Amino acid sequence: SAVISQKPSRDICQRGTSLTIQCQVDSQVTMMFWYRQQPGQSLTLIATANQGSEATYESGFVIDKFPISRPNLTFSTLTVSNMSPEDSSIYLCSVGGPTGVYNEQFFGPGTRLTVL
Amino acid sequence: AQSVSQHNHHVILSEAASLELGCNYSYGGTVNLFWYVQYPGQHLQLLLKYFSGDPLVKGIKGFEAEFIKSKFSFNLRKPSVQWSDTAEYFCAVKGNNRLAFGKGNQVVVIP
Repeated sequence: SAVISQKPSRDICQRGTSLTIQCQVDSQVTMMFWYRQQPGQSLTLIATANQGSEATYESGFVIDKFPISRPNLTFSTLTVSNMSPEDSSIYLCSVGGPTGVYNEQFFGPGTRLTVL
Repeated sequence: AQSVSQHNHHVILSEAASLELGCNYSYGGTVNLFWYVQYPGQHLQLLLKYFSGDPLVKGIKGFEAEFIKSKFSFNLRKPSVQWSDTAEYFCAVKGNNRLAFGKGNQVVVIP
């Protein structure tokens, strides 16, 4: 299994500011994913980040709001831009792949974001 | 896109009781099925998975799940729970390279 770390683990931010969340994996992985878990809700996929290409966003999520970088096979960042209280959530990084032994996905510890 | 339904969001039971959590999904193609668990203060961990073969799969900590293709279900079971099983349990379905989650079951086991 992959070991995933995220920074920061939590933050409290003011409305209108931006926060960049970092995800580091202990091994090279093809696919990285970013999820959001709002209070009392399930995990929702924000986007899929592949190294060397643009991230693929799910319906309801846009690049201007959630820009993603994937500079190499072990690292990715998610930025939550121009934040509002509705962005308060836990943001999770996940790694895996579509085929072979990477059909299962592993999750990081999450970043708990509170927007005031 | 696939969707996943979990019922009885809050479950409270006593130690040694049996646990069954229902999971139904909708997706027309081939799927991989998972149950994840999130213990208090910890991150999501894989409990068990089904890719193919025997539809009854066994996971960690005495959990098992049965895939019933005709019912689009993947229910989780444990015959005798312990206090340490207090956690949130998520069913997830992977289809078309997308992993979709149910809303989860908050399980509280009373000593």
